[in-house]
Amino acid sequence: ETGVTQTPRHLVMGMTNKKSLKCEQHLGHNAMYWYKQSAKKPLELMFVYNFKEQTENNSVPSRFSPECPNSSHLFLHLHTLQPEDSALYLCASSQDTSTDTQYFGPGTRLTVL
Amino acid sequence: GQNIDQPTEMTATEGAIVQINCTYQTSGFNGLFWYQQHAGEAPTFLSYNVLDGLEEKGRFSSFLSRSKGYSYLLLKELQMKDSASYLCAVMDSNYQLIWGAGTKLIIKP
Repeated sequence: ETGVTQTPRHLVMGMTNKKSLKCEQHLGHNAMYWYKQSAKKPLELMFVYNFKEQTENNSVPSRFSPECPNSSHLFLHLHTLQPEDSALYLCASSQDTSTDTQYFGPGTRLTVL
Repeated sequence: GQNIDQPTEMTATEGAIVQINCTYQTSGFNGLFWYQQHAGEAPTFLSYNVLDGLEEKGRFSSFLSRSKGYSYLLLKELQMKDSASYLCAVMDSNYQLIWGAGTKLIIKP
């Protein structure tokens, strides 16, 4: 138990669907992250929030839309995805965005048909 | 560009020792992390090195040489449960983690 939970754990969606991924951290951290993990590739940082404010958007397509209502919750809204977006989406949190260790959730395995 | 290199896969025997290497080229350096990730699970933090030298934590040790852009993770007395992917990541000058693709470690009886 790392203190970071994600739901759903698995998601299958069509290219025209709209869905949302949820992340919650119970560690009292101020920074939260979305990563994409594809097979045999490095983790790709997608978004960073620090104190609810977005501080990084690594050229992520607009079909991915993050939302951070408070420091404990992070969402990733998905719409009109492509099959190449199929991957493991990991959420992480850290005390802040400096050198602090990031703690990961178990991820959502997303399949886009 | 920024780059982290680590072997794709390694095989070792239960009870033995294995060393997983990581070399990096990044814009600045604010520390190097090692994570363990079992299949279908979250990456979990193993170690953090920011100064040169060896950090020991039980069966696991991590070494850093900043001048060589090199680190290794040493696993001793291997157990079957150590079968996992090991991820190397470097924090650059912007405090962003740059990740390697991971090393899949297979432990055989």
